[in-house]
Amino acid sequence: NAGVTQTPKFQVLKTGQSMTLQCAQDMNHNSMYWYRQDPGMGLRLIYYSASEGTTDKGEVPNGYNVSRLNKREFSLRLESAAPSQTSVYFCASSRSGGTVEQFFGPGTRLTVL
Amino acid sequence: GQQLNQSPQSMFIQEGEDVSMNCTSSSIFNTWLWYKQDPGEGPVLLIALYKAGELTSNGRLTAQFGITRKDSFLNISASIPSDVGIYFCAGLPPDSNYQLIWGAGTKLIIKP
Repeated sequence: NAGVTQTPKFQVLKTGQSMTLQCAQDMNHNSMYWYRQDPGMGLRLIYYSASEGTTDKGEVPNGYNVSRLNKREFSLRLESAAPSQTSVYFCASSRSGGTVEQFFGPGTRLTVL
Repeated sequence: GQQLNQSPQSMFIQEGEDVSMNCTSSSIFNTWLWYKQDPGEGPVLLIALYKAGELTSNGRLTAQFGITRKDSFLNISASIPSDVGIYFCAGLPPDSNYQLIWGAGTKLIIKP
């Protein structure tokens, strides 16, 4: 099992460009999450999906959109990238909301110029 | 909003030393999780704690869920070079099923 996979691993964008970060899990988990990690800070939740067909805003949702494509896949879209969105983005999954043990992907390192 | 204070921010230790770190908050939590992150990788779950007072071990790692529900501790015994990395605590507030609150991390560095 690959666990949680993310693509791409690295990305450089210019201000105003758009892109979609992809995430997939093969653990048959119900819940999926997108976080951003900035230097010296803990992880901050952008959006989460408790189950297929539902999405909810987290702590820092502005400037992002998400799609829970199916049970396996959860994508994060930046419609008009800004330098403040330069960060490392992590996708995670958990069996269900009742068990919060989250399993993380390797991350996408995004730089917005 | 709720915050977790994780300390120390960084630690320089000798190989073989024992390590202690903790997370504290002014709010209570129902669950405490401890993760380790290696450079360039995602966090990996080390220990999960679900009950106040609970003490759980995973090899050389031991973590405790504070009796007040406002803190948690992680100890590493007899540190080895592969223990280097950043350790994060995360807590689940009573009013949430999904949104963990994260500490800022403790960076563990082994002195040469």
